Amino acid sequence: ETGVTQTPRHLVMGMTNKKSLKCEQHLGHNAMYWYKQSAKKPLELMFVYNFKEQTENNSVPSRFSPECPNSSHLFLHLHTLQPEDSALYLCASSQEASGSTDTQYFGPGTRLTVL
Amino acid sequence: SQKIEQNSEALNIQEGKTATLTCNYTNYSPAYLQWYRQDPGRGPVFLLLIRENEKEKRKERLKVTFDTTLKQSLFHITASQPADSATYLCALKGGGFKTIFGAGTRLFVKA
Repeated sequence: ETGVTQTPRHLVMGMTNKKSLKCEQHLGHNAMYWYKQSAKKPLELMFVYNFKEQTENNSVPSRFSPECPNSSHLFLHLHTLQPEDSALYLCASSQEASGSTDTQYFGPGTRLTVL
Repeated sequence: SQKIEQNSEALNIQEGKTATLTCNYTNYSPAYLQWYRQDPGRGPVFLLLIRENEKEKRKERLKVTFDTTLKQSLFHITASQPADSATYLCALKGGGFKTIFGAGTRLFVKA
């Protein structure tokens, strides 16, 4: 266990559904991240929160909406997704995003399938 | 644009041999480089970090080198074991908040 949990582990949703992914870290970190991982492609950074402030939005479509209510919790709200959004969504945390070493601790991911 | 290249083809080696994985990058001046391991269906796990002013770093059977002139890092696993079979990701961090990951190299260690 890395100290980062994600729920649900698997999610199947239709294009008109609204769902949320949840991430929680128990490491006392101040930065949290959302990544998208598609087959045989590099991890794609989506959002970064540092001390609860969003510091990166990597040109992510508005159908993905992040929320960081505190340093331990991160959500990704999903609505009107497309089939090409099907992927493994990974949450990570680190001590702080702009630090001299931001070794990231990843959760197990949510496998998302959009029908 | 910034780019990280790792061997897309899987690496197959015999148990006990040394596995060497390559990470090349362009248009980037990283402050440090990291290597992660990822097993199927799971998140990446941090292995080693090497800074721009370091040439080599070791941890047990793992060794990483970093050549900022060649813009390349090599990741070695000595005395490899079947349990080392996984995908290994290279990641670069410059200033700011972004870490960029490579697509990874799949390693298979045969008994």
